[in-house]
Amino acid sequence: EPEVTQTPSHQVTQMGQEVILRCVPISNHLYFYWYRQILGQKVEFLVSFYNNEISEKSEIFDDQFSVERPDGSNFTLKIRSTKLEDSAMYFCASSEEYTEAFFGQGTRLTVV
Amino acid sequence: DAKTTQPPSMDCAEGRAANLPCNHSTISGNEYVYWYRQIHSQGPQYIIHGLKNNETNEMASLIITEDRKSSTLILPHATLRDTAVYYCIVRVADYSTAGNKLTFGGGTRVLVKP
Repeated sequence: EPEVTQTPSHQVTQMGQEVILRCVPISNHLYFYWYRQILGQKVEFLVSFYNNEISEKSEIFDDQFSVERPDGSNFTLKIRSTKLEDSAMYFCASSEEYTEAFFGQGTRLTVV
Repeated sequence: DAKTTQPPSMDCAEGRAANLPCNHSTISGNEYVYWYRQIHSQGPQYIIHGLKNNETNEMASLIITEDRKSSTLILPHATLRDTAVYYCIVRVADYSTAGNKLTFGGGTRVLVKP
C-alpha cells in the first residue's frame, strides 16, 4: 500500500540553526500539507501546497517557515532559525483531489 | 469549518463493538464528517468519512443522523491495537478554495481493555 514517507524520524538541532524536514508524498497525489503536534497538544495545520504554490497557511507558518517541492517527488519544510518552541512532531500529508489526506509517521524535531 | 464535540475518553472491552459519538450541530450542507485516529504519537490515520448516508469500510462504520447534527463511529470488534485517540472532524468539501485542511480537536482517547 502506498504511503507518505518522512525523513529523518528524529532530528536534534541547536537553537538558531536551519533545519529541513523531508517528505515523499504518495506518487499520484496533488495536494501536500504540513502539520505539527507539540507534545501533549493538538495536531495543528501549518500549510497546504498545490500546483507549486502555497494554497493556505496558518498563523503559525510565519516567515521562518518555507515549503518547497524541489523535484517531482520530495516535499520539504524548512525552518530558517529554529527556536526552542519549534520542538514538536511534524507530520507531512498528501491527498488526491477531492479525497482524504494520508499522513506520514512524522519527524520528531528537538531544538536544544 | 463547524466545531465538533467528543467525549474526552472512553473504555471499551476487547472483542466488543466500540461506539464513538460526535456532535456537530452547526454542520453545513457542504461539510463532510471525517474520522481519523492517532495511535500513540504516530501520524493520524484516516478511518472513514461521509456526507449524509451511513458508510462502512474494512475498518469501521459511520452512522450519521438524519439531521446531520451528530454521528457515531463504530469499531465492530475492538482489538487492543485500536487503542488510540479518535478525531471527528468536519471539513468543507470544496477544493476550489483553501477549505481542504483538517482542523483537529482534542478527540476521544479510547482504551481497549482485555
